[in-house]
Amino acid sequence: DAGVIQSPRHEVTEMGQEVTLRCKPISGHDYLFWYRQTMMRGLELLIYFNNNVPIDDSGMPEDRFSAKMPNASFSTLKIQPSEPRDSAVYFCASSHRDTEAFFGQGTRLTVV
Amino acid sequence: GEDVEQSLFLSVREGDSSVINCTYTDSSSTYLYWYKQEPGAGLQLLTYIFSNMDMKQDQRLTVLLNKKDKHLSLRIADTQTGDSAIYFCAERRKGRRALTFGSGTRLQVQP
Repeated sequence: DAGVIQSPRHEVTEMGQEVTLRCKPISGHDYLFWYRQTMMRGLELLIYFNNNVPIDDSGMPEDRFSAKMPNASFSTLKIQPSEPRDSAVYFCASSHRDTEAFFGQGTRLTVV
Repeated sequence: GEDVEQSLFLSVREGDSSVINCTYTDSSSTYLYWYKQEPGAGLQLLTYIFSNMDMKQDQRLTVLLNKKDKHLSLRIADTQTGDSAIYFCAERRKGRRALTFGSGTRLQVQP
């Protein structure tokens, strides 16, 4: 398996623009997590899904952030409109039942 | 990561042992993990320990868990320059699937 695949690897956008981050979890995994990493706050959980259903979105910063998982092999994290303070590395991870979580390579987002 | 604390930096010489420490606050934590992050890369799981264990060894890695003090450590024997990275401690609390991460310890290995 190729592991968790995220795209794009890098994204630079202007403030106010819409940004969509994409994730393909490992096949057969039924949990999917979105984390954000910044220097100030470290690694924070944004949201996670179980069997495509959002379970805990308490970490989503505000209404500008939304996440979807239309099927077991794809998830998106959207920011609209984006702001400079959203600049961070966004990680997607997946796991199966009680196994450990496997992380993607991350998307480095820069909002200018 | 405010509930999981780690020191920010550790420097060792190649060949020495490294010990990275972590404290957590939730006694209900079921699993505790160590992840490694190299520059520009994602998090790679190194090892984990179940809360009813006090030690786990895997090649050069030894994890020690002191539940009474809520203290976790990762010992890397014969540290190599390739071990230079940021190491994250993480806990998984009972009833929760997501992990709570510490702020990470940057390990620098000097030749």
